[in-house]
Amino acid sequence: DAKTTQPPSMDCAEGRAANLPCNHSTISGNEYVYWYRQIHSQGPQYIIHGLKNNETNEMASLIITEDRKSSTLILPHATLRDTAVYYCIVRIGSGNTGKLIFGQGTTLQVKP
Amino acid sequence: DTEVTQTPKHLVMGMTNKKSLKCEQHMGHRAMYWYKQKAKKPPELMFVYSYEKLSINESVPSRFSPECPNSSLLNLHLHALQPEDSALYLCASSPVLGRRGRSELFFGSGTQLSVL
Repeated sequence: DAKTTQPPSMDCAEGRAANLPCNHSTISGNEYVYWYRQIHSQGPQYIIHGLKNNETNEMASLIITEDRKSSTLILPHATLRDTAVYYCIVRIGSGNTGKLIFGQGTTLQVKP
Repeated sequence: DTEVTQTPKHLVMGMTNKKSLKCEQHMGHRAMYWYKQKAKKPPELMFVYSYEKLSINESVPSRFSPECPNSSLLNLHLHALQPEDSALYLCASSPVLGRRGRSELFFGSGTQLSVL
């Protein structure tokens, strides 16, 4: 199974961009990369996903390298409410055998 | 309604008890999941149901018994648990994972289980 590697923790100043890296060097061609975050004592929340093109939505941007071995989640203007654990996840398989395997996550601390 | 509702929020049980966790969604999703999360660790997949049929069992011990009585409900029956089974149990749902497109999981807030 493809696995992901993330730094255990990062700090970011409020109002600045937060750039969270993820390595997924064993990813195969049909595996999507998903990002979720988990605020203390809540369930994980979907942020964004991509296959090989860069993606942007109202929450964040996802930059995937051309070789697809790594990606970066960008929160353009971090707020204190963005303090959470961020998980980079590879979705393996499709249909009724698809599953999300969580990595260890990065704890992002946004500071005033 | 974009919620996944889990009950109870907290559960304390003894090793000889039988209890059940319940999960409900009304988004029309046909895939439902159980994850287990220990403190300061990522969620670990336990079971996946697709169209009310069990499609993935991640080698979970038989003291955990899932059930999907209909497309909106998912239960996890617990029997003869061990103290190391204490964890946050998360339920999630999604459209059945197609090859392309948005198919994110919607998670509930979880049941915090303590086994004494």
